[in-house]
Amino acid sequence: DTGVSQDPRHKITKRGQNVTFRCDPISEHNRLYWYRQTLGQGPEFLTYFQNEAQLEKSRLLSDRFSAERPKGSFSTLEIQRTEQGDSAMYLCASSYQGARAGANVLTFGAGSRLTVL
Amino acid sequence: EDKVVQSPLSLVVHEGDTVTLNCSYEVTNFRSLLWYKQEKKAPTFLFMLTSSGIEKKSGRLSSILDKKELSSILNITATQTGDSAIYLCAVEALGIGETSGSRLTFGEGTQLTVNP
Repeated sequence: DTGVSQDPRHKITKRGQNVTFRCDPISEHNRLYWYRQTLGQGPEFLTYFQNEAQLEKSRLLSDRFSAERPKGSFSTLEIQRTEQGDSAMYLCASSYQGARAGANVLTFGAGSRLTVL
Repeated sequence: EDKVVQSPLSLVVHEGDTVTLNCSYEVTNFRSLLWYKQEKKAPTFLFMLTSSGIEKKSGRLSSILDKKELSSILNITATQTGDSAIYLCAVEALGIGETSGSRLTFGEGTQLTVNP
């Protein structure tokens, strides 16, 4: 297992277009997170899944954003009708959380950088 | 709303210097505090702290949590140019009705530059 993989690494699109990012987590991890990071800021939480269930969504996540994790493995994050303000690094992270409460250390992917022209 | 504040936001030092990075937080149902290092790509995990007063060490890096003051520090001794990075502090809180944490709330990060 090579860690958390994200694709594409870079995406340049025109305003109004739709984009989709894919994340493949570490295979034994049951939790998957999406964060957004802009220059000079820390990562901002967008949403997370436990297996295939989307358990929490940030208020930052507008109706144009949708995330899925259909089989509890990889996840996709789609942004519809992109705006220039969507330009950011989209980070995916995964972790394992068992039935007994324990450390929830996230392992991050390298990110997908979106530029909206 | 959970809040994490880091200081300083930016720091420039010379190789060999010792630095202290600060993190303070306001969170309901605190569970843990984590430090990450971010170079030009993914944040990489450094430390997780759950108990006050117990220092975690890894080589020249060390960190400690003060739950009374709602803060943590990250120390780096004998800095090297390879320590140049953004250091992120994140806090994990228990969600309502959960026995385990969910999201991490990150601070803005401290941009550390170590000059030769």
